[in-house]
Amino acid sequence: EVQLVESGGGLVQPGGSLRLSCAASGFSFSSYNMNWVRQAPGKGLEWVSYISISSSTIFYADSVKGRFTISRDNAKNSLDLQMNSLKGEDTAVYYCAREGYENYYYYMDVWGKGTTVTVSS
Amino acid sequence: DIQMTQSPSSLSASVGDRVTITCRTSQSINSYLNWYYQKPGKAPKVLIYAAFSLQSGVPSRFSGSGSGTDFTLTISSLQPEDFATYYCQQSYSTPHTFGQGTKLEIK
Repeated sequence: EVQLVESGGGLVQPGGSLRLSCAASGFSFSSYNMNWVRQAPGKGLEWVSYISISSSTIFYADSVKGRFTISRDNAKNSLDLQMNSLKGEDTAVYYCAREGYENYYYYMDVWGKGTTVTVSS
Repeated sequence: DIQMTQSPSSLSASVGDRVTITCRTSQSINSYLNWYYQKPGKAPKVLIYAAFSLQSGVPSRFSGSGSGTDFTLTISSLQPEDFATYYCQQSYSTPHTFGQGTKLEIK
């Protein structure tokens, strides 16, 4: 079964750090670009970060640039998101999502169930 | 960044109704437009990619159309499981922005 499982969420104080992980199984992880997407309580989806297959291309949303770092380990089938200098507005459910593709069209075709990050004192 | 505008923000409809949701982008994205749906407390799922291609396993009552800056998601005959929130997303350029969502509710 193709599966993504996030972990590492929790309660953290403003200014603190947290590291999220996403474990992939059931597919060739090293063949897919990956993303993190978040959803604040009661709000819509916000793309956070992208990493290419070889980690050679990385993008961040302006809202997290300089504070978050995405990385992957293809040997371990894992995707990480290091989050530093956390703010209240980072409170959200964080999803990792596989980037499927067909004929150069890309879309997020597999999602994890999400892990909740709460930034509060 | 490419801005995405979905309309309506919410919609009430009945089982069996035909429903249309629109998504407009601030610049042309050719056909790099995806549609997702999300049930409360669940992860999103892709319905349509490349503006009109139906994801495997998605019922044929869902269809997508459009190119450039104007796109449409149509549900031909609403089923009870279709009441959810729908999002468009562009994959033309980073950041891969999402629309604000359209909440489809039972009338």
